[in-house]
Amino acid sequence: AQSVAQPEDQVNVAEGNPLTVKCTYSVSGNPYLFWYVQYPNRGLQFLLKYITGDNLVKGSYGFEAEFNKSQTSFHLKKPSALVSDSALYFCAVRDLRNRDDKIIFGKGTRLHILP
Amino acid sequence: DSGVTQTPKHLITATGQRVTLRCSPRSGDLSVYWYQQSLDQGLQFLIQYYNGEERAKGNILERFSAQQFPDLHSELNLSSLELGDSALYFCASSVDRGTQYFGPGTRLLVL
Repeated sequence: AQSVAQPEDQVNVAEGNPLTVKCTYSVSGNPYLFWYVQYPNRGLQFLLKYITGDNLVKGSYGFEAEFNKSQTSFHLKKPSALVSDSALYFCAVRDLRNRDDKIIFGKGTRLHILP
Repeated sequence: DSGVTQTPKHLITATGQRVTLRCSPRSGDLSVYWYQQSLDQGLQFLIQYYNGEERAKGNILERFSAQQFPDLHSELNLSSLELGDSALYFCASSVDRGTQYFGPGTRLLVL
């Protein structure tokens, strides 16, 4: 069975500092990994995804994520945080070996960027 | 704007009632997914349809059902509503096995 863990409920970062939101996953086969962001009273917005290839994936709004197979991690990063990055971030995984398209989401990490 | 639309945006109803949530996928997307987001359970996958057929099932209660119509829009039917069904219900769509794009959600409040 596939699962994903976001170990931090909340992350606080000062504006202009680098940020990292952590995610680890568990799948039987190869993973298909995603990050989504949810702003207040909005739906989830796709940020980036990893299927195969380069371990560093670049996405929207200056975000990137690094796939680490040995540590089964897919941490979200940004070199310089903006106050507008404050939101709820979800990591998600799909097992490419599964026949269905079910994606499992983590519980989310609330990111606070302090001015 | 993801291109996925959901109606209504808000719904207030009473326990024991039945409601229907509607979703229109992005143009060209054949898959539709339904999710429930609540404070205590997080984001839970309910069900997926692909081109009118059920493809995957998650933690969907027997009181809930869904369908996808020939024009590819989908409806989620929630019946015998309970207080605990109050949540945000999201629809997402994708091309076959692709990235899922989410609608703005329907906020359901059961009183």
